[in-house]
Parts: sequence; structure tokens; C-alpha cells
Amino acid sequence: AQTVTQSQPEMSVQEAETVTLSCTYDTSENNYYLFWYKQPPSRQMILVIRQEAYKQQNATENRFSVNFQKAAKSFSLKISDSQLGDTAMYFCAFMNSNAGGTSYGKLTFGQGTILTVHP
Amino acid sequence: NAGVTQTPKFRILKIGQSMTLQCAQDMNHNYMYWYRQDPGMGLKLIYYSVGAGITDKGEVPNGYNVSRSTTEDFPLRLELAAPSQTSVYFCASSISGRGLYGYTFGSGTRLTVV
Repeated sequence: AQTVTQSQPEMSVQEAETVTLSCTYDTSENNYYLFWYKQPPSRQMILVIRQEAYKQQNATENRFSVNFQKAAKSFSLKISDSQLGDTAMYFCAFMNSNAGGTSYGKLTFGQGTILTVHP
Repeated sequence: NAGVTQTPKFRILKIGQSMTLQCAQDMNHNYMYWYRQDPGMGLKLIYYSVGAGITDKGEVPNGYNVSRSTTEDFPLRLELAAPSQTSVYFCASSISGRGLYGYTFGSGTRLTVV
């Protein structure tokens, strides 16, 4: 079974600065996806960024980028030029993607990191 | 385009009562999921379905039941509610079980059992 660990329960950052959220995972699989989801106070789950394990290049989406270290099983999220609207709970999540498709798209989530952006 | 619709948004139940959380999607997605989120915690998978008539247990299925008679609907049944089932429940759907396509989440149901 996979596990996902987010060791930072809470983080804070000043507006316009950069912050990095940490995530480590444990798996014996070789093919998988990693995700960062944002959950603002509205409770809606919003996909921030996705990384495919077989791709060495780190994913980026505008101000959001990841540092994917497959050997170290580490998947951190960097938020640049932080904005007040980035205040939310952030979840790291793992999805197995075996060739037979028997993972059925099930997600394993970390405990979450509450990020507060201060003006 | 409604996406994934969950009803109700909030509910208070008394211990021992039963209820059904409704989930409907209009995207013709085969894969559907129920997760629960306890305070300050990540989401845990309760049940999932890979198509009409096919369901299976997730990580925390005890105290719950599901059915999938149509592609659109995936209701979650709580029998004999207990305080430990106080949580926020999310329904989600995906066009396939592959990570390439991601999930669409509903807005959640906050359930309190007293």
C-alpha cells in the first residue's frame, strides 16, 4: 500500500514571496502519478498540478511548479509570487498507474498543509 | 455543465439514524468515488465504482454501502449513524482510471452525527 506524508501542518508566507510545500511518498510501484490539490475555505477540491512519474521534467503551471525527486520519493510544490487567493489547504496525492489499469484511479492523500498568505 | 452534484450540502443526524448521500454526474464518467475528510486530515477512500453495477471497497468502508445502478448516480448509504462518521464527504468522478485525466470533485457534504 502507498503512503503519502506531508510533514508541515501549517505554513505562512508574505504576499509576493515564494513558498515550498513538502511531500514524501512510499511506493514499490514504478509507474504512477502525483498531484497537488488545493482546498480553499469553500471546500472545493481544485487540481493545482500533476506529475507523471516516468517524466523527468518537473511540471509547471504558471506560478506553481514541482520538484520531483523519484529516487528520494519526494514531490514538493513551489508557489512563486504568492497571492492572497493562494490561502488554502494543500494536499499531495498519489495514484498508481500500472499497465493493467487495476489501480482504478484511486487516490491516496497526505494529511494536508494549511497555507496562509499574509498581505 | 453541472459536473458532479452532491446533495445535501449539510446534514445533522442523530446516532442510529440512516441516510443516503446523493451524488450525480453528467459527464458520462465511468469511474466514481466516495471519500471522507476528517478535520485536519486528508481524504480517505470509502468506496469506488468502475461502471454501472460494479462497486468495490476502499480504505474505510465499514458503516457504509453503495450502489451504482446507472452511470450518472452513485449514492452512499449510511446505516446506523455513529459519531465516528462525522466528516465531510466528497464524491468524485473520472472518465477513466488513469491519472492522465484527473478527477472532478463535488462540493462536499458536511455530516454531523450527534
